[in-house]
Amino acid sequence: EAGVAQSPRYKIIEKRQSVAFWCNPISGHATLYWYQQILGQGPKLLIQFQNNGVVDDSQLPKDRFSAERLKGVDSTLKIQPAKLEDSAVYLCASSFSQGSLGGYTFGSGTRLTVV
Amino acid sequence: GQQLNQSPQSMFIQEGEDVSMNCTSSSIFNTWLWYKQDPGEGPVLLIALYKAGELTSNGRLTAQFGITRKDSFLNISASIPSDVGIYFCAGQNYGGSQGNLIFGKGTKLSVKP
Repeated sequence: EAGVAQSPRYKIIEKRQSVAFWCNPISGHATLYWYQQILGQGPKLLIQFQNNGVVDDSQLPKDRFSAERLKGVDSTLKIQPAKLEDSAVYLCASSFSQGSLGGYTFGSGTRLTVV
Repeated sequence: GQQLNQSPQSMFIQEGEDVSMNCTSSSIFNTWLWYKQDPGEGPVLLIALYKAGELTSNGRLTAQFGITRKDSFLNISASIPSDVGIYFCAGQNYGGSQGNLIFGKGTKLSVKP
């Protein structure tokens, strides 16, 4: 089966600019996650969707980050305006259902550098 | 919030040596998972553990779910150069938003041929 697709792979922007990332999960996976991975750290959950609804966005900095999954398939994550500390890899993952045991399938990520 | 302590932070070993790394938590998990991440890629699942005390193998990899449900270890036997990468432990609980993975900070493994 095709994996989780993410684009772009790399992005360099200046602080205060805006940026958007795109994710296409594995076909049939109802649950989609966005994780932030800062260099030298493990991934940290930003937001979890079940179909097109938000299940958990408690760790999403809502003053600058937003995410949507309008049709329950693809998702976009946006940062506006970006700060230097947003430099990280943004990973998208999907699973068959909410709280699926055994983990999820991750995409290759988008590496964001804010200068 | 829940935190995972993963050790060691890094290891530099000779090809053929065995490797051991572990992860501890301040609270219990229902599932423990071990992932490997190569440069420029997302984490890939190596082993999933579902039951306290469970010992599971995947080729040269062996992992155990601690009986207290607060720890897990991963062993790699007879390491080879392609084992190089960052290994993450992750804890997971059942259902809803608790299904989210909580990750350790990773163990960076380097293997000298």
